[in-house]
Amino acid sequence: QQQVKQSPQSLIVQKGGISIINCAYENTAFDYFPWYQQFPGKGPALLIAIRPDVSEKKEGRFTISFNKSAKQFSLHIMDSQPGDSATYFCAASAYNYGQNFVFGPGTRLSVLP
Amino acid sequence: KAGVTQTPRYLIKTRGQQVTLSCSPISGHRSVSWYQQTPGQGLQFLFEYFSETQRNKGNFPGRFSGRQFSNSRSEMNVSTLELGDSALYLCASSLGSNNQPQHFGDGTRLSIL
Repeated sequence: QQQVKQSPQSLIVQKGGISIINCAYENTAFDYFPWYQQFPGKGPALLIAIRPDVSEKKEGRFTISFNKSAKQFSLHIMDSQPGDSATYFCAASAYNYGQNFVFGPGTRLSVLP
Repeated sequence: KAGVTQTPRYLIKTRGQQVTLSCSPISGHRSVSWYQQTPGQGLQFLFEYFSETQRNKGNFPGRFSGRQFSNSRSEMNVSTLELGDSALYLCASSLGSNNQPQHFGDGTRLSIL
């Protein structure tokens, strides 16, 4: 129940295209869903996050869509750029779990020029 | 504002030794969490400290321990090192201890020979 599933494992997109990464969870106690971006040799960087009181959140080219009934959420990267090539992790946490974030296995995104 | 600082960046040890890793959180952040990142298991939560007290603990053996000082800086200790402890150890800090955005350092790469 603590698991967060993430797909696809890897993704190749042309420059200017839309990258879509999906995540699913089982634990209904989860109420905070961040996305992280990680470049080689660096730690994960917080990209965008959503709480279940909204169904969508947009920040620049990055959008989170959240479906509470399906227990799924996704990251959309519009106008993907080669500089977006990185590994993306979704995560989930619950208020009563403190800062124990459960991470998905990651998606390696490659944006071709 | 300076980010999360982890030292050292790289460490090589042999089996049976012990190691101490250090983390300086973002100024004003009182919560520090530690994660282990490996290719096989992904990002796994080790433990969280808030106001010098361990708030949460992941599913790791007692060889993994930590502490937090009054200035919120934290250390993680691993005793009796095993080959399987080779990993990237990440520290993340946040303002509070319940569903707050976490900001990661670039990690300490620990290699066990």
